[in-house]
Amino acid sequence: GESVGLHLPTLSVQEGDNSIINCAYSNSASDYFIWYKQESGKGPQFIIDIRSNMDKRQGQRVTVLLNKTVKHLSLQIAATQPGDSAVYFCAETAVYALNFGKGTSLLVTP
Amino acid sequence: DAGVIQSPRHEVTEMGQEVTLRCKPISGHNSLFWYRQTMMRGLELLIYFNNNVPIDDSGMPEDRFSAKMPNASFSTLKIQPSEPRDSAVYFCASLGAAGNQPQHFGDGTRLSIL
Repeated sequence: GESVGLHLPTLSVQEGDNSIINCAYSNSASDYFIWYKQESGKGPQFIIDIRSNMDKRQGQRVTVLLNKTVKHLSLQIAATQPGDSAVYFCAETAVYALNFGKGTSLLVTP
Repeated sequence: DAGVIQSPRHEVTEMGQEVTLRCKPISGHNSLFWYRQTMMRGLELLIYFNNNVPIDDSGMPEDRFSAKMPNASFSTLKIQPSEPRDSAVYFCASLGAAGNQPQHFGDGTRLSIL
């Protein structure tokens, strides 16, 4: 399943499956994009970032894809684990201010 | 390494009272941000400091809100008088001087105004 933009806030996946969280951004001048993970009672935690001169970046079990043509950002989590359950935010910036999406809640079921 | 430290973690107070939230940014970071998070509005930037100087306070809701950064290692966000609609989680974040870095967030202060 997918979460599109800011309008489908919940994504449920089975443990071991891959997760894809999508985000649409609005500012074509944005040149830096970040995915954050927020667990209950904690602040947003940096996961991965990407600059506008790239279209893909990989980390440990996570991949971020950037499509500047349609202003779309996605986060792929491989082999999703229960510890991945959290709210995920995309954020974009052109200068200093981060513009956050409203987040997608990822629920990993056993 | 110590991250961004906020205090208190929780605050419950009656409307009309003064509330002061505190933040210690990561050592060496020269930018500091205050955010407010609610279910309805998500994460909103309230104010941004660079080298202890307020650069953008356009997100501060009204005159009841004020923020200071007297030195590079400390900032406060004050609400006076507080109102029930101020109830939210308030986050502080800091950022280093190099370009294209992520902001680092504290764990927030959950504020409840009765």
